[in-house]
Amino acid sequence: DAGITQSPRHKVTETGTPVTLRCHQTENHRYMYWYRQDPGHGLRLIHYSYGVKDTDKGEVSDGYSVSRSKTEDFLLTLESATSSQTSVYFCAISSFGTRGRGNEQFFGPGTRLTVL
Amino acid sequence: DAKTTQPPSMDCAEGRAANLPCNHSTISGNEYVYWYRQIHSQGPQYIIHGLKNNETNEMASLIITEDRKSSTLILPHATLRDTAVYYCIVNDNQGGKLIFGQGTELSVKP
Repeated sequence: DAGITQSPRHKVTETGTPVTLRCHQTENHRYMYWYRQDPGHGLRLIHYSYGVKDTDKGEVSDGYSVSRSKTEDFLLTLESATSSQTSVYFCAISSFGTRGRGNEQFFGPGTRLTVL
Repeated sequence: DAKTTQPPSMDCAEGRAANLPCNHSTISGNEYVYWYRQIHSQGPQYIIHGLKNNETNEMASLIITEDRKSSTLILPHATLRDTAVYYCIVNDNQGGKLIFGQGTELSVKP
């Protein structure tokens, strides 16, 4: 399994509070992604990064920001959490860019976030 | 990215081959077919991908039709642990996002 961890694994917070989720990889992959998964919507991309300090928006980026100050860490921040952001959040890394590799993405175990 | 169509659910007997179909009739020439699965409460797991040739790895085989408009994922000897949602995705292999549809929920039964 790819070396990818997420923290925290579970979090309960209140509306209006800031929340930061961390994704850490030991594979030295260039690409990292944040997805959220909700019943009826499947997995949807929030933001992704294609290198240190290089990020781009996904399809559901409103209310989220990201930062990547070093290769191994990709942070997802909810500046002011809302109940609609209650979800399971998955981080992924991709071997894309490594010689001979395609866009295989490897996912972390997920963070279950509840916003009350 | 092109869209895919998969049956919402399938059953398979333990020990038998599971054949999961996927239609991607609008696939472009530079798009690959990827398969992932998600076991309940876990992150999605990469299985296999291909462009136009059939592919096999330790987990599964991928058969892509000659016109590339459809494909089949084959789990040769399904076990109870293969019960999961299987996603067929087409992607241009340029490092961008994967678009997950609803997938096929495979139930392997004893």
